[in-house]
Amino acid sequence: EVQLVQSGAEVKEPGDSLRISCKGSGYSFTTYWIGWVRQMPGKGLEWMGIIFPGDSDTRYSPSFQGQVTISADKSISTAYLQWSSLKASDTAMYYCARHDGLTSGWDWWGQGTLVTVSS
Amino acid sequence: EIVLTQSPDFQSVTPKEKVTITCRASQSIGSNLHWYQQKPDQSPKLLIKDASQSFSGVPSRFSGSGSGTQFTLTISGLEAEDGATYYCHQSSSLPFTFGQGTKLEIK
Repeated sequence: EVQLVQSGAEVKEPGDSLRISCKGSGYSFTTYWIGWVRQMPGKGLEWMGIIFPGDSDTRYSPSFQGQVTISADKSISTAYLQWSSLKASDTAMYYCARHDGLTSGWDWWGQGTLVTVSS
Repeated sequence: EIVLTQSPDFQSVTPKEKVTITCRASQSIGSNLHWYQQKPDQSPKLLIKDASQSFSGVPSRFSGSGSGTQFTLTISGLEAEDGATYYCHQSSSLPFTFGQGTKLEIK
């Protein structure tokens, strides 16, 4: 069975660093793209970026370029989303999802990781 | 960046109704358009890929059509469990983008 299991909820202070994870199982991790989406409280879905774990090809939305880093460790079938200095405005639910081609629909989603940034 | 505009933003509907949600792209995206359903406190789920292909396991009352700049998600014979927010998503041109969402309330 395909699964994308995300790391647990985080509560951080402004200026903290953070890395959240998305572990894939039940499929060939290196042959599917992993994408990340932000959903701020009560708002819609925002496309952040994608990574192809097979060769670490990464694409970012201009809105998130330089604000986050997307990476993957194919040896443990895990993708990451990280921040070097969190802001209160980073408070949101973050989802990962897989897609088998660059232009394909995202067919399997993680359960989401809630990140709360507050002083 | 391609902007996707959904209409309506909100619709209150009764069971068994036929519902149509529209997604307009700011430039042509071919058939690289997908539809997702998100229920409260749940992850989004893929309904339709590549404009008109139903994803595995999705009820047949959900269908998609369109190409270029105008796309439609149709729910024929709405059921109570279809109360959710629906999003379109384009994967034609980076950065990929989502529509703002359409919330369906079941009366």
